[in-house]
Parts: sequence; C-alpha cells; structure tokens
Amino acid sequence: GIQVEQSPPDLILQEGANSTLRCNFSDSVNNLQWFHQNPWGQLINLFYIPSGTKQNGRLSATTVATERYSLLYISSSQTTDSGVYFCAVESRDDKIIFGKGTRLHILP
Amino acid sequence: DGGITQSPKYLFRKEGQNVTLSCEQNLNHDAMYWYRQDPGQGLRLIYYSQIVNDFQKGDIAEGYSVSREKKESFPLTVTSAQKNPTAFYLCASTRGSGNTIYFGEGSWLTVV
Repeated sequence: GIQVEQSPPDLILQEGANSTLRCNFSDSVNNLQWFHQNPWGQLINLFYIPSGTKQNGRLSATTVATERYSLLYISSSQTTDSGVYFCAVESRDDKIIFGKGTRLHILP
Repeated sequence: DGGITQSPKYLFRKEGQNVTLSCEQNLNHDAMYWYRQDPGQGLRLIYYSQIVNDFQKGDIAEGYSVSREKKESFPLTVTSAQKNPTAFYLCASTRGSGNTIYFGEGSWLTVV
C-alpha cells in the first residue's frame, strides 16, 4: 500500500521562528490534507491541498503531486502552534492514510 | 450544528468484554472511517465504508468489526480478540473520494 513519511519527527523552536514540515508519499493520490492535533486529541483541518499552494495567515502549504511531496510552512511561530502535525493522503483505492506526524514544540 | 459525534468519550472495560463505540454524522457524507491512535503515534486505519451496507478492512482490522446499516452511522465493535485494545479511537467522514475529511472528537478506551 501507499507509504506516507513525515519529517522531521520532532522539532523544537523558539517563539518567532519559522519552520518547514515535509510529507513524502510513495504513489499517486486523490487528495492530501494537513492536520494539527491539539493536546486534547482533536484533529483540526489546516489545508486540503492535493496540488498547488495555499495560504491561511501564518500557515501555508505546497503540494507537488508529480514529485510526491507536500510542505507545510509555519511563520513567526507562537506557543499555541505546539502540537502534532499530520499529513494524510487518499490513495487510489479510497483509503486515507496518515503519516506518523511531526511533533512541534514552540518555546516561549 | 453539523458534525460528527462520537460516544462515549471515555470508556473503561474489563479484559475479555466486547465494547461498541458509536459514530454518528449529520453531514450527509457517504464515506466514513475508523482510526486507532496509540500514545505518541500516528493514526492507523481500522475499517472504512464508502456506501451503506458496504465496508472494507483497513490496515489493522483484526479484532474489530463494523456495520453500516445507515448512512449517518458507523459503529465500531472492539472484540475480545483484539490483543491491545486500550487506545484513542477516531471516527471520520467525507463526502467521497477527493473531498475534505472531517473528524469527531474521539473516544478513549481503557481495558483493564
């Protein structure tokens, strides 16, 4: 089946720093989404981005489907950005598969 | 409000008992999914369903069962055959292939 790899697994940054999270996938996909999981376990939709670039405030994402990767950019990090960021892809057989996530710690 | 409701939020069960987790959505979505998350880990797919009365096994279906008798409901039963059932369980739904996926708030299952 399709493999989804996220990097780095852990990232510690000072408040105000910028970060780039990466998601690689092993096959063509119908869909790609980025999520933020808060400390209570809730998954928050960040971007639906099967291709192209989108921006929402301090966050932006780019997916290059032909090269099978997506990037999530976080600028001017705040402590509330801490948590786990997941990439999820929808394979051609309609499975939605998650990467193992990037755990982000923003220090005040 | 439209959304996905999972219940119960917290559940404790004795080893050897079956337990059913509820997932209801009023988004009129066709596809529904169940995931398991262990502490510090990613989400792993248990079962998914694209239409009523049809469902497919995900990557870790052993020890679990589901039904999809109604479009809005996709209950998950954790059976006594599941060796390590203690985990956080998440239900999700989408309009169908190529659409945004939405999640419920999850159910924490502890088996003692």
